[in-house]
Amino acid sequence: KAGVTQTPRYLIKTRGQQVTLSCSPISGHRSVSWYQQTPGQGLQFLFEYFSETQRNKGNFPGRFSGRQFSNSRSEMNVSTLELGDSALYLCASTPGISEGTDTQYFGPGTRLTVL
Amino acid sequence: GDSVTQMEGPVTLSEEAFLTINCTYTATGYPSLFWYVQYPGEGLQLLLKATKADDKGSNKGFEATYRKETTSFHLEKGSVQVSDSAVYFCALLNYGGATNKLIFGTGTLLAVQP
Repeated sequence: KAGVTQTPRYLIKTRGQQVTLSCSPISGHRSVSWYQQTPGQGLQFLFEYFSETQRNKGNFPGRFSGRQFSNSRSEMNVSTLELGDSALYLCASTPGISEGTDTQYFGPGTRLTVL
Repeated sequence: GDSVTQMEGPVTLSEEAFLTINCTYTATGYPSLFWYVQYPGEGLQLLLKATKADDKGSNKGFEATYRKETTSFHLEKGSVQVSDSAVYFCALLNYGGATNKLIFGTGTLLAVQP
């Protein structure tokens, strides 16, 4: 099976712009989660989608949003970019069958740089 | 709230040395525990996991035992290799809130010298 794929791998944007990142989970996986990784804050949970519904959201401002499509692919959007949004954004998928014990499989991430 | 505490790095070892990376957690209920590894420029890879107390996860020579009495999940390897150089993250998943939210420690950089 193909792994989790994320596009694009690298992005450079300027302050005030918006950006959309895409994640394709492993085939058959229904749950997709997003994480932000920065040197200062480490790995922080952004949100999780399961069967097209947002199931949980981390402590991030409303500028961060996401959605999931019927084929389980997910997108996240960041509007009005700030310098502090520069980070590696990781997507993870899990089957959604054995909740609480399923392994989350991570993609390679999208490196966003805001200038 | 739930949290994970890892030992600060970097940890620098010579090849074939014994490795221990400490991890303790705070959580309500019975979380699942994970170790992930991140190589430079890559995403996270699952190294091992344990889903209940006294379970031992193992993979590629790495081991960790879920100790509920000490709320710990320390990572060990008997003989490290240069190729083990990476950042290691301890994480917990507490499904009490019906979500797959992973909570990570700060990560420990391991550098293995030949």
